[in-house]
Amino acid sequence: DVKVTQSSRYLVKRTGEKVFLECVQDMDHENMFWYRQDPGLGLRLIYFSYDVKMKEKGDIPEGYSVSREKKERFSLILESASTNQTSMYLCASSLSSTGNQPQHFGDGTRLSIL
Amino acid sequence: GENVEQHPSTLSVQEGDSAVIKCTYSDSASNYFPWYKQELGKRPQLIIDIRSNVGEKKDQRIAVTLNKTAKHFSLHITETQPEDSAVYFCAPKRTGRRALTFGSGTRLQVQP
Repeated sequence: DVKVTQSSRYLVKRTGEKVFLECVQDMDHENMFWYRQDPGLGLRLIYFSYDVKMKEKGDIPEGYSVSREKKERFSLILESASTNQTSMYLCASSLSSTGNQPQHFGDGTRLSIL
Repeated sequence: GENVEQHPSTLSVQEGDSAVIKCTYSDSASNYFPWYKQELGKRPQLIIDIRSNVGEKKDQRIAVTLNKTAKHFSLHITETQPEDSAVYFCAPKRTGRRALTFGSGTRLQVQP
């Protein structure tokens, strides 16, 4: 069974801090994704990666960056955290780059910026 | 990009009734149509998907129907049970596009 693990379930940080959210998958998936989930807005794509060191912007990349140095690990970085980045962050992975396979999600990180 | 709309945004039914959630999309090249279920406090999980060469797919109490001409697909849940209470997301996609575009979600509440 595919396992996508996010490093923290809950995180509280201060405005202006640099924040790292980590995600690891154990199924050798090519694709990894970061979403944020806010009530009434569904899952909005921040960034995704289809290979090591490769990344593409999603729908809401402003204020975020990502890093994928190893295939199994995808990090989301908030360069200078702001209160409007308080949200639930979900990581996901899928098998192949452009085929139609399901996405497997982690449990999410609820991030609060004070 | 893909524009995705889901209706209704909330749905309350009595246990044993049927529920239908509709998803409308804009990209006529979309050929993959999944539905995800997210229970409270849990991760979204794929529950059923359909490809464009098939008009309908059924798995026990859930089914998905596709109308490519009208660019919409629907999730049907029959004989609803309290454990069906969750938020449901559609996420249409075309081959070659790397990411899914999720709808805004439908909160289904099944009243015992």
